Amino acid sequence: QKEVEQDPGPLSVPEGAIVSLNCTYSNSAFQYFMWYRQYSRKGPELLMYTYSSGNKEDGRFTAQVDKSSKYISLFIRDSQPSDSATYLCAMSWRDDKIIFGKGTRLHILP
Amino acid sequence: EAGVTQFPSHSVIEKGQTVTLRCDPISGHDNLYWYRRVMGKEIKFLLHFVKESKQDESGMPNNRFLAERTGGTYSTLKVQPAELEDSGVYFCASSQNPTGGYGYTFGSGTRLTVV
Repeated sequence: QKEVEQDPGPLSVPEGAIVSLNCTYSNSAFQYFMWYRQYSRKGPELLMYTYSSGNKEDGRFTAQVDKSSKYISLFIRDSQPSDSATYLCAMSWRDDKIIFGKGTRLHILP
Repeated sequence: EAGVTQFPSHSVIEKGQTVTLRCDPISGHDNLYWYRRVMGKEIKFLLHFVKESKQDESGMPNNRFLAERTGGTYSTLKVQPAELEDSGVYFCASSQNPTGGYGYTFGSGTRLTVV
């Protein structure tokens, strides 16, 4: 069983729609949960991070962590064509290496 | 503030040759990380430097890979001799303090193709 599972997509949604991305994981020791955004030919860029369980909101983005279900989500409201990218979930224990999901390719259709 | 710089951005080499990748972290960042993504797989950790010391090299695939960070500034990752399965994108990241990934800044990566 992989440590982090993420559907690679692609996921295509019309502009303005709400996007829901998610990951499941198997290791209950994970404490930090992150979402990275990666544009083509660029490195991952940190979008959101959450410590332990709970929700975090930043503008159009909301990250949710449910440790009891080992499930994390990222919601994008009012999606824009500029949101088209690969979204990577990532997790870690403490000041340790990151474990990434495979990434979901997202296309926002104008 | 300049970001994390990696070069070359793309390298094509023949199997058996040697390639050296370079990473310049953000100035003042003591922590430097190397990650790699091979086709169809997740981005995976290779190793972590704190200044010039290797803090964790548990992700290095084999002894054909050698990472150095002399003087605690830039880092190099040498692959010698390169094999076909080494093809992928090699990312470098840096952070001021050791973090659980939420303080990283990644470079744009070096795309390595071994033919």
